[in-house]
Amino acid sequence: ELKVEQNPLFLSMQEGKNYTIYCNYSTTSDRLYWYRQDPGKSLESLFVLLSNGAVKQEGRLMASLDTKARLSTLHITAAVHDLSATYFCAVDVVGSNYQLIWGAGTKLIIKP
Amino acid sequence: NAGVTQTPKFQVLKTGQSMTLQCAQDMNHNSMYWYRQDPGMGLRLIYYSASEGTTDKGEVPNGYNVSRLNKREFSLRLESAAPSQTSVYFCASRQGINYGYTFGSGTRLTVV
Repeated sequence: ELKVEQNPLFLSMQEGKNYTIYCNYSTTSDRLYWYRQDPGKSLESLFVLLSNGAVKQEGRLMASLDTKARLSTLHITAAVHDLSATYFCAVDVVGSNYQLIWGAGTKLIIKP
Repeated sequence: NAGVTQTPKFQVLKTGQSMTLQCAQDMNHNSMYWYRQDPGMGLRLIYYSASEGTTDKGEVPNGYNVSRLNKREFSLRLESAAPSQTSVYFCASRQGINYGYTFGSGTRLTVV
């Protein structure tokens, strides 16, 4: 069964702290995507990771991909309240150019 | 602004009624998608269209039909709405498999 598992599913943290969200997947895939969703809003594309060892950074967020371990991480550095959101990872299904399998999302709350 | 436009934003239907959700993108993307989002279940693909003139079933197509009217527009039709179709529906498009999705703002549908 194709599965994408995120952990934790819920994270409450203080501003200024560092933390990592993990995304494990069960299928062979070379492409992994991270999205952000604010409450009641749509989803916004954050990162597209296209190969083993890929690392991308935007502000306080850094994403990496290890295709051998079937693991991606989203690292938050010195968290600020504006990063509070739900973060989703998704992977491409090998053999299908168009279908993604999504994780359940990690709800991140950052307290001042 | 360029992007994906969905209408309506909110809709309440009675069981058995029909309706069409409209989606249009102005980014000249080939592929378009319809997802539903339910609490705790992440996003599930209903239908997708790899290119103008083609449509394919996703993970949860039952009870839905789609039309790729032209390259810009991809509509989702509920022929006989059921309470199980209460959900938030997102349309998305992307330039290709190495790119993230651009999502519309969503349609919150309630079937009573």
